[in-house]
Amino acid sequence: QKEVEQNSGPLSVPEGAIASLNCTYSDRGSQSFFWYRQYSGKSPELIMSIYSNGDKEDGRFTAQLNKASQYVSLLIRDSQPSDSATYLCAVRVAGNNRKLIWGLGTSLAVNP
Amino acid sequence: EPEVTQTPSHQVTQMGQEVILRCVPISNHLYFYWYRQILGQKVEFLVSFYNNEISEKSEIFDDQFSVERPDGSNFTLKIRSTKLEDSAMYFCASSVSGTGELFFGEGSRLTVL
Repeated sequence: QKEVEQNSGPLSVPEGAIASLNCTYSDRGSQSFFWYRQYSGKSPELIMSIYSNGDKEDGRFTAQLNKASQYVSLLIRDSQPSDSATYLCAVRVAGNNRKLIWGLGTSLAVNP
Repeated sequence: EPEVTQTPSHQVTQMGQEVILRCVPISNHLYFYWYRQILGQKVEFLVSFYNNEISEKSEIFDDQFSVERPDGSNFTLKIRSTKLEDSAMYFCASSVSGTGELFFGEGSRLTVL
């Protein structure tokens, strides 16, 4: 059974701080990794994708991937109250398929 | 900005009834998906669709489910005989290249009584 695990939180950080969100996955052959943001009652929205080991930065967001440890993380710098949402980690499993396996998500609260 | 649109936003139905959920993917996207999310649970893959046929389906997507692209723009999910456990938010998504960078619609909330 291929799994994606996240700490459900809630993770609470003060405005302006760095929020660190973590995700582990079970399928060692996975190649593609995604972070989605989901506001309450809304649909997931893509924030970042990462395909190779190391860091990938996009504005205030940095995704980090370590395939050896089967670990992917998302850092949010200068956190804003509008960043308060659930952050979903999704993994495209190995093989010729298109489906994503999702974590349960980490709830982030940024306090003004 | 192009977007995926879904209708209806909320549907209430009796157990055993047929339901059709509709989606209009982004026009230049080639890959289409249905996912669902039961309240408080993980997003679950149902089916992917490419080149007018199903490319992959999950174990959830049994004979009660079907998908169609009837007119080149709409993409529908049909549940033939709904069960209580089909109550969930159903998300349609599309992508240009099938990599996993998905654009989601706002979802259709299905409530089965």
